[in-house]
This record gives sequence, structure tokens and C-alpha cells, in this order.
Amino acid sequence: DAGVTQSPTHLIKTRGQHVTLRCSPISGHKSVSWYQQVLGQGPQFIFQYYEKEERGRGNFPDRFSARQFPNYSSELNVNALLLGDSALYLCASSLALAGVYEQFFGPGTRLTVL
Amino acid sequence: AQSVSQHNHHVILSEAASLELGCNYSYGGTVNLFWYVQYPGQHLQLLLKYFSGDPLVKGIKGFEAEFIKSKFSFNLRKPSVQWSDTAEYFCAADQTGANNLFFGTGTRLTVIP
Repeated sequence: DAGVTQSPTHLIKTRGQHVTLRCSPISGHKSVSWYQQVLGQGPQFIFQYYEKEERGRGNFPDRFSARQFPNYSSELNVNALLLGDSALYLCASSLALAGVYEQFFGPGTRLTVL
Repeated sequence: AQSVSQHNHHVILSEAASLELGCNYSYGGTVNLFWYVQYPGQHLQLLLKYFSGDPLVKGIKGFEAEFIKSKFSFNLRKPSVQWSDTAEYFCAADQTGANNLFFGTGTRLTVIP
């Protein structure tokens, strides 16, 4: 079975631009979460979606938004990019919301903002 | 403020040495605790988790962790490390019960053959 997949693998943008990152969860998984991992730090929770609805939000500005589609895939959008948005963006999926269900992480999208 | 602290940034051990990586959290109330590992070039994967019950939790690859509520700690242990344990280890906490994980900064483990 395929794991969590993310696209693109790498992305270079300039300040002020917009970016869309994509995530396909493991087949059958209905919950998708997004994390930002800055170099040298642990992942930081951005959003969680379940059944197309936002179920959790971390401490990120409104420039960050996301959505989940009927097939449970998800997009993370970041507007007005700043240098500090350079990071590895991780997507994780799980069967359902409850913490008893293991989260499986994807390989991430490396975003560089110049 | 909620936080997860991992005080060891880089640990270097010889094969067969014992391992203990520290993790402290600053949450009140119920909290679920996790250890994740990231091997070089691979995805984050779950090593073990604690929700309730026996405070000594056993995970994959011979790892275990002990939840000590009075010390707000969830330290990771392995009696004898192998070269293949070289990786970055992350402690995480979830107070929501919905997998909204708060990660520590990670500990890089290097095992020398």
C-alpha cells in the first residue's frame, strides 16, 4: 500500500508569492494534519482536517489556510510568503480523529523562500 | 504555556551502550505522549505512545519509555543500542486527544560501530 504522498518534493518561491502544497493520505484515512518543520526544530502543528472540516488549528497567521477534498486529499495554502516560511511541510494522515489512531507522516515538501 | 522539552540535542554512543533520552512536558491534566523517530532519509515514524494505564510502555525495535507523572517526564530508553538506531528522535504531546501533536526540538542520536 502507498503511504502518505506529498507534492511537490521541493519548491522555491520568492517573498510575497503564494504557494499550494498537496497531500494524499493513505487509502481509507479520513483525517489529515499539516505540520511545519523549520530546520533544527521539531514539527509544529498547523491544521487538522477530518471529513472535510477543520478540526484543529495551531498558532499560525491567517496567511496559512487549508482544505480537504471529498477524496480526503488536502491542500495547504500560504499567501504573502515570508523568508521565515522556509521549512519542511509535513502531512500526516490517520484513520480517524481520535488519538488512538496512529498518524502516518509523508516525506514532506521542502519550501525555500528567497 | 504548553511545551515539550528535550534537553539532549546530540547524543553519541558506542554500540551496545544503554540509551536514555529525556523528555519533559508542561501540560496540566490529561496528556497523551509519543516518541517518533526519523531515520536518515526516511519519514517520521511512531516508536511508541502512552495514553493511560501501565506507565512503562514498550515500542518497536526494543525501545521503551516510562511516564512519570510527578516529574512530567516521558523518557525513552533502550538497553543496548545498535548502529542502525542512528536517527533523530522526537518526543511529542497531545492534550486534545485528537492527534494535535506538540513536538520537542528533537535529539540526534549517533551510534558509533
